[in-house]
Amino acid sequence: AQSVTQLDSQVPVFEEAPVELRCNYSSSVSVYLFWYVQYPNQGLQLLLKYLSGSTLVKGINGFEAEFNKSQTSFHLRKPSVHISDTAEYFCAVTPPGNAGNMLTFGGGTRLMVKP
Amino acid sequence: DAGVTQSPTHLIKTRGQQVTLRCSPKSGHDTVSWYQQALGQGPQFIFQYYEEEERQRGNFPDRFSGHQFPNYSSELNVNALLLGDSALYLCASSSPLRKETQYFGPGTRLLVL
Repeated sequence: AQSVTQLDSQVPVFEEAPVELRCNYSSSVSVYLFWYVQYPNQGLQLLLKYLSGSTLVKGINGFEAEFNKSQTSFHLRKPSVHISDTAEYFCAVTPPGNAGNMLTFGGGTRLMVKP
Repeated sequence: DAGVTQSPTHLIKTRGQQVTLRCSPKSGHDTVSWYQQALGQGPQFIFQYYEEEERQRGNFPDRFSGHQFPNYSSELNVNALLLGDSALYLCASSSPLRKETQYFGPGTRLLVL
């Protein structure tokens, strides 16, 4: 079984400042890792994913994340945030392979970008 | 290219009633998963359908059931509704070659009174 911990429930930040949203996971097997964003009253949009290869992955809207196997982390970063980045961000994991792939989500981090 | 679509967008039911939610996957996708997202929480996996069969199930009671049709669309049925079933229900689909990457619809918000 897997579990995901998002260490910060809320992250306030000023516009144009850098931000890091933290994600740690626990799993007895290797996992694929994902970050999703949820804007108010909407579904989830895939930001980026790590399946294999380079541990630094780039996603949409200027976001990137780094997989650290030794620390079982997959932190999300953006060098300069915009007001429009205000949303809920979810980290998720699933075991590899092409069989059934249930996603296990963290509790979410609310990013609040202030002018 | 249409993404994942869900209907209805909102629904109000009373305790004890039954509800059916519908989902159409992205074009080319054959696997559909359902998630429940309670207010202020992350989504929780309900079950996944592939080739018209339930392939995986999360920790949800038998009151939650589903179906997948030959065109890959899917339904989620919940019987004997409880107040605690109030949530956003999300459908996600994935392609045959990349089942791990799931694309979500906008969700159906269910309120049980």
